[in-house]
Amino acid sequence: EPEVTQTPSHQVTQMGQEVILRCVPISNHLYFYWYRQILGQKVEFLVSFYNNEISEKSEIFDDQFSVERPDGSNFTLKIRSTKLEDSAMYFCASSEDRGSKLAKNIQYFGAGTRLSVL
Amino acid sequence: QQQVKQSPQSLIVQKGGIPIINCAYENTAFDYFPWYQQFPGKGPALLIAIRPDVSEKKEGRFTISFNKSAKQFSLHIMDSQPGDSATYFCAASSHNYGQNFVFGPGTRLSVLP
Repeated sequence: EPEVTQTPSHQVTQMGQEVILRCVPISNHLYFYWYRQILGQKVEFLVSFYNNEISEKSEIFDDQFSVERPDGSNFTLKIRSTKLEDSAMYFCASSEDRGSKLAKNIQYFGAGTRLSVL
Repeated sequence: QQQVKQSPQSLIVQKGGIPIINCAYENTAFDYFPWYQQFPGKGPALLIAIRPDVSEKKEGRFTISFNKSAKQFSLHIMDSQPGDSATYFCAASSHNYGQNFVFGPGTRLSVLP
């Protein structure tokens, strides 16, 4: 069964450093997402991406964050200057369809990257 | 208005019991309500989903009940098994407001053997 893969599984970084989290979405999917989950808390939406541009972003997704699809298979999340409060599990997701009144919005999640900012 | 509330926070049942997890929302524009199951160290995985034009959906041992007027929906797990022990998240989205899900805070379910 096709799956969303994320690397690395765990990233440790120093505060102020840049990190890039990588994702390979399911190959025929067109919509890509990043979510984060602070330990013990709910999953929060960060950003959605379609057709090589951001389609929606949350308040969390400030200027320190950026996303990119550098080639036909990878989807990355960059945090420019990490803060302690960026420590969380980051999930990438992808979907075939946007979701509409007729089509389901089925998002498939990767296993996540645990980011630890020291 | 974008919030999805979920209860209980944690739930312990015996094997064979029927745990029920409840969610409530305020935004009437929400039109898609999935439930996700998450095991420790794994990403959320879609379990079952419903649209507000039906009051119930059943897939295997999992049933969603939906009450549109009350803006509530719930997950029932029939004949629960220890392997069902996980965290369950309800979520909601609206095709009018983009594709992102608003997740509930999660329910940690433990099914005792």
